[in-house]
Amino acid sequence: QVQLQESGPGLVQPSETLSLTCTVSGDSLSGSTYNWGWIRQPPGKGLEWLGSMNYNGSPYYNPSLKSRVVVSVDTSKNQFSLDLKSVTAADTGVYFCARHHLGIAAYWGQGLLVTVSS
Amino acid sequence: QSVLTQPPSASGTPGQTVTISCSGSRSNIGSNTVNWYQQLPGTAPRLLIYATNQRPSGVPDRFSASKSGTSASLAIAGLQSDDEADYYCAAWDDGLIGFWVFGGGTKLTVL
Repeated sequence: QVQLQESGPGLVQPSETLSLTCTVSGDSLSGSTYNWGWIRQPPGKGLEWLGSMNYNGSPYYNPSLKSRVVVSVDTSKNQFSLDLKSVTAADTGVYFCARHHLGIAAYWGQGLLVTVSS
Repeated sequence: QSVLTQPPSASGTPGQTVTISCSGSRSNIGSNTVNWYQQLPGTAPRLLIYATNQRPSGVPDRFSASKSGTSASLAIAGLQSDDEADYYCAAWDDGLIGFWVFGGGTKLTVL
């Protein structure tokens, strides 16, 4: 059974970098044919894809956030990470990691609420 | 502003059939299959429909979906109280580079 678990700080200061990690079990990032991505959901709003790492280890990003987002992978720990730079209150929300293939995601993490506030 | 457009709300009584629409463009729904997610309060989205009209194992056949041109729809037959949730359509958008787009979500209320 594939499982994903987000971890990281629940509170980030404005202008700082939001850094989250997704730990994967039940699948290997180094041998998987799937993509591994980050999706967020502001309070009371819809879902927004941020970026993903493809099966070749190459990242790709939502064009609207590309300058602020970095997705990276640590195959030795079977984890992938999200860095979102220069955050503002508008970046507050629940952040999900997911395994997907062209946007078909059967496996999601439970989500992590991140609040941007001083 | 979401790339795909859904009505913000829908409602029905138990036993009814409810349909939720999703409108996109040539670069997303018009070129690729559509996926639907169900999200109960406080939980992660659950894949409900993939590849436009396929149900993952465990999803009742009361849920069905279709696509025509740049629009798609999700139908829920025999509405039940535990169908009350937010529903999101999603698709791959070809654009300049491929990326994953969602609708704004439809909150379904079972009256």
